[in-house]
Amino acid sequence: AQKVTQAQTEISVVEKEDVTLDCVYETRDTTYYLFWYKQPPSGELVFLIRRNSFDEQNEISGRYSWNFQKSTSSFNFTITASQVVDSAVYFCALSENTDKLIFGTGTRLQVFP
Amino acid sequence: GAVVSQHPSWVICKSGTSVKIECRSLDFQATTMFWYRQFPKQSLMLMATSNEGSKATYEQGVEKDKFLINHASLTLSTLTVTSAHPEDSSFYICSAHPGEGSLRDGGELFFGEGSRLTVL
Repeated sequence: AQKVTQAQTEISVVEKEDVTLDCVYETRDTTYYLFWYKQPPSGELVFLIRRNSFDEQNEISGRYSWNFQKSTSSFNFTITASQVVDSAVYFCALSENTDKLIFGTGTRLQVFP
Repeated sequence: GAVVSQHPSWVICKSGTSVKIECRSLDFQATTMFWYRQFPKQSLMLMATSNEGSKATYEQGVEKDKFLINHASLTLSTLTVTSAHPEDSSFYICSAHPGEGSLRDGGELFFGEGSRLTVL
């Protein structure tokens, strides 16, 4: 069975702090995809990244970075030098060998000025 | 990039009425669309897979007669909440990917802006 766990329900930081959002997944498939989405208060989902199970290379995009560790089934997301505009709910999601996404419960990030 | 549009973005209705939500792919054809539901401060739960020209595939626990899905063309899927009740109040989001590829083949999933339903 597939499952995504985001243990952190809410995180509050002050601007310019670094913050890491945790994501742990469960799957029996050897081929799968992991995603991170941002959901601002307006509600739409903003795609951040997709990773397939064969690519464990970490990725950096501006202030965002992702750490994929198959050994611990984790796909953590770090925001460096956080800004108020980063305040949102962040979802980690998993897709096995289908096109359906299974979402984690989300982490609400609040960045205070 | 590809755009998926939902309409209406919000709707308020009386209990017992039916509400239709549209999901359109604006610049690509989508053989498959997905409908998700999100309760306040909760995660997105997949409701059903909408397949163009055939019946939708519903997830376990989702009432087929309550949530009617029609995917009559390659650019439009509709979700109708029949005889809506206050417990159906939720945020409904659709997603779609172009017909030429699935996630396995490198295709992308695109999400609509969501439709917020409030049933009084």
